[in-house]
Amino acid sequence: GAVVSQHPSRVICKSGTSVKIECRSLDFQATTMFWYRQFPKKSLMLMATSNEGSKATYEQGVEKDKFLINHASLTLSTLTVTSAHPEDSSFYICSASSGSSSPLHFGNGTRLTVT
Amino acid sequence: QKEVEQNSGPLSVPEGAIASLNCTYSDRVSQSFFWYRQYSGKSPELIMSIYSNGDKEDGRFTAQLNKASQYVSLLIRDSQPSDSATYLCAVNRPISGGYNKLIFGAGTRLAVHP
Repeated sequence: GAVVSQHPSRVICKSGTSVKIECRSLDFQATTMFWYRQFPKKSLMLMATSNEGSKATYEQGVEKDKFLINHASLTLSTLTVTSAHPEDSSFYICSASSGSSSPLHFGNGTRLTVT
Repeated sequence: QKEVEQNSGPLSVPEGAIASLNCTYSDRVSQSFFWYRQYSGKSPELIMSIYSNGDKEDGRFTAQLNKASQYVSLLIRDSQPSDSATYLCAVNRPISGGYNKLIFGAGTRLAVHP
Protein backbone atom coordinates (compact mmCIF):
# COMPACT_ATOMS: atom_id res chain seq x y z
CA GLY A 1 0.00 0.00 0.00
CA ALA A 2 0.91 3.64 -0.29
CA VAL A 3 3.44 4.90 2.19
CA VAL A 4 3.18 8.53 1.15
CA SER A 5 -0.21 10.18 0.80
CA GLN A 6 -0.71 13.39 -1.15
CA HIS A 7 -3.84 15.52 -1.30
CA PRO A 8 -5.56 16.79 -3.36
CA SER A 9 -4.92 14.75 -6.47
CA ARG A 10 -6.29 17.40 -8.74
CA VAL A 11 -7.09 21.07 -8.28
CA ILE A 12 -8.24 23.84 -10.55
CA CYS A 13 -7.91 27.39 -9.30
CA LYS A 14 -8.18 30.90 -10.63
CA SER A 15 -5.19 33.05 -11.31
CA GLY A 16 -4.14 35.01 -8.22
CA THR A 17 -5.42 32.54 -5.66
CA SER A 18 -3.36 30.25 -3.43
CA VAL A 19 -3.41 26.48 -3.33
CA LYS A 20 -2.18 24.21 -0.54
CA ILE A 21 -0.99 20.67 -1.19
CA GLU A 22 -0.49 18.21 1.66
CA CYS A 23 1.99 15.36 1.85
CA ARG A 24 1.89 12.76 4.60
CA SER A 25 4.17 9.86 5.38
CA LEU A 26 1.92 7.03 6.54
CA ASP A 27 4.15 4.32 7.95
CA PHE A 28 7.21 6.22 9.05
CA GLN A 29 8.45 9.50 10.36
CA ALA A 30 10.14 11.68 7.79
CA THR A 31 12.35 14.50 8.98
CA THR A 32 12.97 15.31 5.35
CA MET A 33 10.53 15.40 2.46
CA PHE A 34 11.06 16.52 -1.09
CA TRP A 35 8.84 18.45 -3.47
CA TYR A 36 9.14 17.92 -7.20
CA ARG A 37 7.45 19.50 -10.18
CA GLN A 38 7.00 17.89 -13.55
CA PHE A 39 5.85 19.56 -16.75
CA PRO A 40 4.39 17.42 -19.54
CA LYS A 41 6.93 15.11 -21.14
CA LYS A 42 9.67 16.55 -18.95
CA SER A 43 11.69 15.12 -16.11
CA LEU A 44 11.07 15.53 -12.42
CA MET A 45 12.61 18.74 -11.16
CA LEU A 46 13.39 19.06 -7.48
CA MET A 47 11.91 22.25 -6.11
CA ALA A 48 12.84 22.11 -2.47
CA THR A 49 13.81 19.95 0.45
CA SER A 50 11.41 20.22 3.34
CA ASN A 51 12.99 19.92 6.78
CA GLU A 52 10.92 19.22 9.87
CA GLY A 53 11.13 22.08 12.31
CA SER A 54 13.30 24.30 10.15
CA LYS A 55 13.26 26.24 6.93
CA ALA A 56 13.04 24.48 3.62
CA THR A 57 15.99 24.42 1.28
CA TYR A 58 15.05 25.64 -2.18
CA GLU A 59 16.71 24.72 -5.43
CA GLN A 60 18.19 27.42 -7.58
CA GLY A 61 15.57 29.31 -9.50
CA VAL A 62 12.66 28.34 -7.24
CA GLU A 63 10.99 31.31 -5.57
CA LYS A 64 10.66 30.63 -1.86
CA ASP A 65 8.08 33.37 -1.40
CA LYS A 66 5.90 31.86 -4.07
CA PHE A 67 6.20 28.23 -3.05
CA LEU A 68 5.76 28.19 0.70
CA ILE A 69 6.75 24.98 2.43
CA ASN A 70 5.83 24.07 5.96
CA HIS A 71 7.00 20.87 7.65
CA ALA A 72 5.39 21.19 11.04
CA SER A 73 5.45 17.54 12.05
CA LEU A 74 7.38 14.39 11.28
CA THR A 75 4.61 13.12 9.06
CA LEU A 76 3.29 16.20 7.29
CA SER A 77 4.71 18.68 4.83
CA THR A 78 2.66 21.24 2.93
CA LEU A 79 3.38 23.18 -0.23
CA THR A 80 1.41 26.35 -0.85
CA VAL A 81 1.49 27.90 -4.28
CA THR A 82 0.77 31.56 -3.65
CA SER A 83 -0.74 33.97 -6.17
CA ALA A 84 -0.90 31.21 -8.72
CA HIS A 85 -0.41 31.98 -12.39
CA PRO A 86 -1.23 29.81 -15.42
CA GLU A 87 2.48 29.02 -15.84
CA ASP A 88 2.37 27.35 -12.41
CA SER A 89 0.10 24.71 -13.89
CA SER A 90 2.03 21.48 -13.47
CA PHE A 91 2.19 18.11 -11.77
CA TYR A 92 3.50 18.50 -8.21
CA ILE A 93 4.79 15.41 -6.45
CA CYS A 94 6.04 14.99 -2.92
CA SER A 95 8.32 12.25 -1.71
CA ALA A 96 9.79 10.98 1.52
CA SER A 97 12.29 8.46 2.71
CA SER A 98 12.33 6.42 5.89
CA GLY A 99 16.09 6.65 6.13
CA SER A 100 19.16 8.27 4.66
CA SER A 101 20.02 5.33 2.41
CA SER A 102 16.45 4.25 1.73
CA PRO A 103 14.79 4.97 -1.59
CA LEU A 104 12.25 7.72 -1.97
CA HIS A 105 8.59 6.89 -2.01
CA PHE A 106 6.36 9.22 -3.94
CA GLY A 107 2.89 10.50 -3.31
CA ASN A 108 0.36 10.17 -6.10
CA GLY A 109 0.94 13.73 -7.19
CA THR A 110 -1.27 16.79 -7.55
CA ARG A 111 -2.31 18.05 -10.95
CA LEU A 112 -2.63 21.82 -10.63
CA THR A 113 -4.41 23.82 -13.31
CA VAL A 114 -4.49 27.59 -12.99
CA THR A 115 -7.05 29.30 -15.18
CA GLN B 1 26.78 18.12 -18.86
CA LYS B 2 23.63 16.96 -17.16
CA GLU B 3 24.05 15.23 -13.82
CA VAL B 4 22.05 12.23 -14.93
CA GLU B 5 21.71 11.42 -18.60
CA GLN B 6 19.35 9.04 -20.32
CA ASN B 7 18.37 8.50 -23.90
CA SER B 8 14.85 9.88 -24.19
CA GLY B 9 13.78 7.21 -26.66
CA PRO B 10 11.31 5.98 -27.50
CA LEU B 11 12.81 2.55 -27.20
CA SER B 12 10.59 0.16 -29.05
CA VAL B 13 10.88 -3.58 -28.42
CA PRO B 14 8.64 -6.52 -29.36
CA GLU B 15 6.80 -8.41 -26.68
CA GLY B 16 9.00 -11.07 -25.12
CA ALA B 17 12.26 -9.33 -25.96
CA ILE B 18 14.82 -7.85 -23.60
CA ALA B 19 14.65 -4.10 -23.12
CA SER B 20 17.90 -2.41 -22.17
CA LEU B 21 17.81 1.03 -20.58
CA ASN B 22 20.96 2.99 -19.89
CA CYS B 23 21.96 5.86 -17.66
CA THR B 24 25.17 7.76 -16.95
CA TYR B 25 25.85 10.12 -14.08
CA SER B 26 28.47 12.75 -13.44
CA ASP B 27 28.91 12.94 -9.66
CA ARG B 28 31.38 10.32 -8.45
CA VAL B 29 30.30 10.70 -4.82
CA SER B 30 26.92 9.14 -5.59
CA GLN B 31 26.50 5.81 -3.88
CA SER B 32 22.85 4.92 -4.38
CA PHE B 33 21.08 4.38 -7.67
CA PHE B 34 17.45 3.80 -8.41
CA TRP B 35 15.18 2.98 -11.29
CA TYR B 36 11.63 4.27 -11.24
CA ARG B 37 8.81 3.54 -13.62
CA GLN B 38 6.32 6.27 -14.44
CA TYR B 39 3.10 5.76 -16.33
CA SER B 40 1.61 8.75 -18.07
CA GLY B 41 -0.12 11.07 -15.60
CA LYS B 42 1.04 9.07 -12.60
CA SER B 43 3.80 9.51 -10.06
CA PRO B 44 6.96 7.40 -10.21
CA GLU B 45 7.11 4.00 -8.58
CA LEU B 46 10.30 2.34 -7.45
CA ILE B 47 11.42 -0.70 -9.43
CA MET B 48 15.00 -1.33 -8.38
CA SER B 49 17.69 0.05 -6.15
CA ILE B 50 21.37 -0.79 -6.46
CA TYR B 51 24.26 0.28 -4.29
CA SER B 52 27.29 -1.80 -5.29
CA ASN B 53 29.00 -2.71 -8.51
CA GLY B 54 27.65 -5.65 -10.44
CA ASP B 55 24.23 -7.02 -11.17
CA LYS B 56 21.12 -7.15 -9.04
CA GLU B 57 18.17 -9.22 -10.16
CA ASP B 58 14.54 -9.00 -9.11
CA GLY B 59 12.12 -11.03 -11.15
CA ARG B 60 12.25 -9.88 -14.76
CA PHE B 61 14.36 -6.86 -13.86
CA THR B 62 18.14 -6.69 -13.59
CA ALA B 63 20.00 -3.56 -12.59
CA GLN B 64 23.67 -3.23 -13.44
CA LEU B 65 26.07 -0.75 -11.88
CA ASN B 66 29.59 0.22 -12.89
CA LYS B 67 30.87 3.01 -10.68
CA ALA B 68 34.18 3.29 -12.49
CA SER B 69 32.35 4.08 -15.71
CA GLN B 70 29.59 5.98 -13.88
CA TYR B 71 27.04 3.88 -15.62
CA VAL B 72 23.88 2.16 -14.47
CA SER B 73 21.47 0.14 -16.57
CA LEU B 74 18.19 -1.69 -16.31
CA LEU B 75 17.35 -4.84 -18.23
CA ILE B 76 13.76 -5.99 -18.56
CA ARG B 77 13.43 -9.59 -19.68
CA ASP B 78 10.35 -10.99 -21.39
CA SER B 79 9.02 -7.48 -21.98
CA GLN B 80 5.27 -7.08 -21.77
CA PRO B 81 3.01 -4.36 -23.19
CA SER B 82 2.29 -3.39 -19.59
CA ASP B 83 5.96 -2.45 -19.23
CA SER B 84 5.39 0.42 -21.64
CA ALA B 85 6.16 3.50 -19.57
CA THR B 86 8.86 6.05 -18.93
CA TYR B 87 11.78 4.75 -16.91
CA LEU B 88 13.59 7.23 -14.73
CA CYS B 89 17.13 6.78 -13.53
CA ALA B 90 17.83 8.48 -10.20
CA VAL B 91 21.12 9.09 -8.44
CA ASN B 92 21.59 10.24 -4.88
CA ARG B 93 23.42 13.36 -3.82
CA PRO B 94 24.27 13.60 -0.14
CA ILE B 95 22.91 16.63 1.68
CA SER B 96 23.23 17.84 5.23
CA GLY B 97 21.71 15.84 8.06
CA GLY B 98 22.80 12.55 6.60
CA TYR B 99 20.04 12.50 4.01
CA ASN B 100 20.24 12.31 0.27
CA LYS B 101 18.32 14.04 -2.44
CA LEU B 102 17.64 12.29 -5.68
CA ILE B 103 18.60 13.71 -9.02
CA PHE B 104 16.56 12.32 -11.88
CA GLY B 105 17.37 11.78 -15.50
CA ALA B 106 14.90 12.92 -18.12
CA GLY B 107 13.65 9.36 -18.53
CA THR B 108 13.55 6.85 -21.35
CA ARG B 109 10.20 6.06 -22.88
CA LEU B 110 9.77 2.34 -23.50
CA ALA B 111 7.17 0.99 -25.88
CA VAL B 112 6.58 -2.76 -25.95
CA HIS B 113 4.52 -3.78 -28.95
CA PRO B 114 2.64 -7.08 -29.27
